[in-house]
Amino acid sequence: EPEVTQTPSHQVTQMGQEVILRCVPISNHLYFYWYRQILGQKVEFLVSFYNNEISEKSEIFDDQFSVERPDGSNFTLKIRSTKLEDSAMYFCASSGLRSTGELFFGEGSRLTVL
Amino acid sequence: AQRVTQPEKLLSVFKGAPVELKCNYSYSGSPELFWYVQYSRQRLQLLLRHISRESIKGFTADLNKGETSFHLKKPFAQEEDSAMYYCALSGQQGGSEKLVFGKGTKLTVNP
Repeated sequence: EPEVTQTPSHQVTQMGQEVILRCVPISNHLYFYWYRQILGQKVEFLVSFYNNEISEKSEIFDDQFSVERPDGSNFTLKIRSTKLEDSAMYFCASSGLRSTGELFFGEGSRLTVL
Repeated sequence: AQRVTQPEKLLSVFKGAPVELKCNYSYSGSPELFWYVQYSRQRLQLLLRHISRESIKGFTADLNKGETSFHLKKPFAQEEDSAMYYCALSGQQGGSEKLVFGKGTKLTVNP
């Protein structure tokens, strides 16, 4: 069964460093998402991406964040200058052509900012 | 504003007992409601959605627009039901499936 894959599973970085989290969505899906979950808190929407552009973003998704689909298979989230409060589990998700309400999630990338 | 509230952080029941995980929502339009589940060491996955009105793994959930609730129920809990359960709402803005999640309820089913 096809799955969303994410790398790395865990990344530790110093405050101020740039981080890129990678995702490979399910191949025939057209909508892509990033969510994050700070420890002990709810899963929060960051951004959705469709047709090679951002379709919606949350207040959390400020200028420090960017997304890209560089090669038709990967979907990346970049944090330009990490802050302590960026420490969280970041989940990538994808969904199919027709809106069904089902998002397929990756296992997450845990980011620790020191 | 869209908001999902799951009042119980933890819920513990014995095997064979009924279980109800509460979810209330706030949304001005016509929402779509979902329950997602995350078993230990597994990824977040869809359990059921209100539109399909189906029973999955013995779980059902009815959308009550009057009470703005979407509680998840199972008449006889099993140990394998132990997991983190998240209620989620979609307003389907712009055609994408932006989900607003509740904080989640950790269900433990004891033998």
